[in-house]
Amino acid sequence: AQKITQTQPGMFVQEKEAVTLDCTYDTSDPSYGLFWYKQPSSGEMIFLIYQGSYDQQNATEGRYSLNFQKARKSANLVISASQLGDSAMYFCAMREGRNNQGGKLIFGQGTELSVKP
Amino acid sequence: DTEVTQTPKHLVMGMTNKKSLKCEQHMGHRAMYWYKQKAKKPPELMFVYSYEKLSINESVPSRFSPECPNSSLLNLHLHALQPEDSALYLCASRQFQLGTDTQYFGPGTRLTVL
Repeated sequence: AQKITQTQPGMFVQEKEAVTLDCTYDTSDPSYGLFWYKQPSSGEMIFLIYQGSYDQQNATEGRYSLNFQKARKSANLVISASQLGDSAMYFCAMREGRNNQGGKLIFGQGTELSVKP
Repeated sequence: DTEVTQTPKHLVMGMTNKKSLKCEQHMGHRAMYWYKQKAKKPPELMFVYSYEKLSINESVPSRFSPECPNSSLLNLHLHALQPEDSALYLCASRQFQLGTDTQYFGPGTRLTVL
């Protein structure tokens, strides 16, 4: 069974609008971490945002926020005021346990975001 | 500073060649990772080093040989590769402390095996 599911293979958004990228996860471990990475066509995986399972508040980093709904096991990424440079592949990832298996990340299949001018 | 560097950026090699990929970080992170990524797919974990010791090998073929000479440096030695090994190879290091646990990736090496 998929542990991380990203149901949107591709998405379009108009420049300056907000966009939500969906991510659901599956784990029975009470301690886990959720991550979002951006990968432009150049290939570098850029860390965007992190949410710990015990964090009470949703994580925010600049224009990025993580909508963490623990009961629904969802960790959607919200990008506000989209920019042309936001066009990239976005991966959701999960680390199960506090230090389980050396911090192994499990990635979703990714969502390709295209920002239109 | 959260920089992980990788060299070379691009590598083309024949199936009989021996080459090495290099990864470096100076953030004091004690866990380092090699991932393989095919186009339009998520990264796949290959190896994990923790405190300079190999802690995870995800059943990677022996033609890939990792090495961690010190806490800042990670190598991946390549020998007798196959064309299907052509991919983007990503290195990462892990910042693990109270309140945060994040892997930072390098820019990757694009490998083509002819």
